[in-house]
Amino acid sequence: GEDVEQSLFLSVREGDSSVINCTYTDSSSTYLYWYKQEPGAGLQLLTYIFSNMDMKQDQRLTVLLNKKDKHLSLRIADTQTGDSAIYFCAEKNYGGSQGNLIFGKGTKLSVKP
Amino acid sequence: DTAVSQTPKYLVTQMGNDKSIKCEQNLGHDTMYWYKQDSKKFLKIMFSYNNKELIINETVPNRFSPKSPDKAHLNLHINSLELGDSAVYFCASSPPSGTSLEQFFGPGTRLTVL
Repeated sequence: GEDVEQSLFLSVREGDSSVINCTYTDSSSTYLYWYKQEPGAGLQLLTYIFSNMDMKQDQRLTVLLNKKDKHLSLRIADTQTGDSAIYFCAEKNYGGSQGNLIFGKGTKLSVKP
Repeated sequence: DTAVSQTPKYLVTQMGNDKSIKCEQNLGHDTMYWYKQDSKKFLKIMFSYNNKELIINETVPNRFSPKSPDKAHLNLHINSLELGDSAVYFCASSPPSGTSLEQFFGPGTRLTVL
């Protein structure tokens, strides 16, 4: 079945770049997503990438997609303390016809001043 | 204006009780979902539903049942609550496939079973 894997923790210093990695198994995925969850809050869509793209940039965020290796990454430039959160990689499940998301276990990003 | 809202935000109850969590979306979306986030922050789909089709994750116990009085609401009923049901439950909605990409999430309901 579909599976999405992420490392669970990442710690960086303020001002550095953060790179969060994700691998997925469903080669039919057409959209891949990054969601952010701050403590005690819901899920906020950060960005997404369509499977025919290799890269997408949005201000401090850069998403890289290697479809051959089924590898997705999120780079946050100039990481700030406000970026501390859990970041979830997700792919859309078309097998169930209604497109629910399959999430990775989330990467907890800690930003040290 | 809140796009996807859930009530209550917190729910504390005894084992064996029956409880409901309500979800409403004012986005005019056709499809709604319930996700469960456990204590380790793992998020799993429980149900997806539109006015035609209910898809249930086969790992969800039948003590959980979604009820949709209309297109804007998808409530979650839980019978005979167990300790392992303690989690944060998120409702989400999305427009028809092929239109927009985003699923909009509610703020979550933290359920604690004692």
